[in-house]
Amino acid sequence: EAEVAQSPRYKITEKSQAVAFWCDPISGHATLYWYRQILGQGPELLVQFQDESVVDDSQLPKDRFSAERLKGVDSTLKIQPAELGDSAMYLCASSAATGTEAFFGQGTRLTVV
Amino acid sequence: AQSVTQLDSQVPVFEEAPVELRCNYSSSVSVYLFWYVQYPNQGLQLLLKYLSGSTLVESINGFEAEFNKSQTSFHLRKPSVHISDTAEYFCAVNDGGTSYGKLTFGQGTILTVHP
Repeated sequence: EAEVAQSPRYKITEKSQAVAFWCDPISGHATLYWYRQILGQGPELLVQFQDESVVDDSQLPKDRFSAERLKGVDSTLKIQPAELGDSAMYLCASSAATGTEAFFGQGTRLTVV
Repeated sequence: AQSVTQLDSQVPVFEEAPVELRCNYSSSVSVYLFWYVQYPNQGLQLLLKYLSGSTLVESINGFEAEFNKSQTSFHLRKPSVHISDTAEYFCAVNDGGTSYGKLTFGQGTILTVHP
């Protein structure tokens, strides 16, 4: 069964360091989303891609976060420098052009110390 | 901006008992509604969705939810829960556009099923 792949599953980093997360959506899915889920809360959308273009990054803290999807397939989310408050689960999701739901990956659990 | 309120942060229940997880949303436009389930340290799995048509939607594992436009609610119910239903459940709303993954989530309800 096709699934959204994310790596790493867990990441511990020191504050002020750079960290990156990778996402490979389900093959053929043109739309890709990055969400942040702080412990005890629901996920919040950070950025949405349509193919390689950013459709919505209004909630992305652009002073330290960046996201790219250069070839319209896999995507990388970067934080530089990481802060303690960035500790969260980072979820990637994808959806097909003709689909009516998004499929989520297992997430990357980030701990900033 | 849309918002979703899940009225109960935790719901403990005994096995085989019925359960209702409550969800209210605020939106003045047509919306699509979703329930996702999340097991510890896992991603989200779609449980069921309402896009249009019948206001009662069902999942393959016995859950159902009813869209009530006048009350702006989308409560999730199951007549008899199992231990394996223990998880966190999230209600989510989409603005009715074609980006079905562009969602506003509630805070989540932790369902704990006791033997």
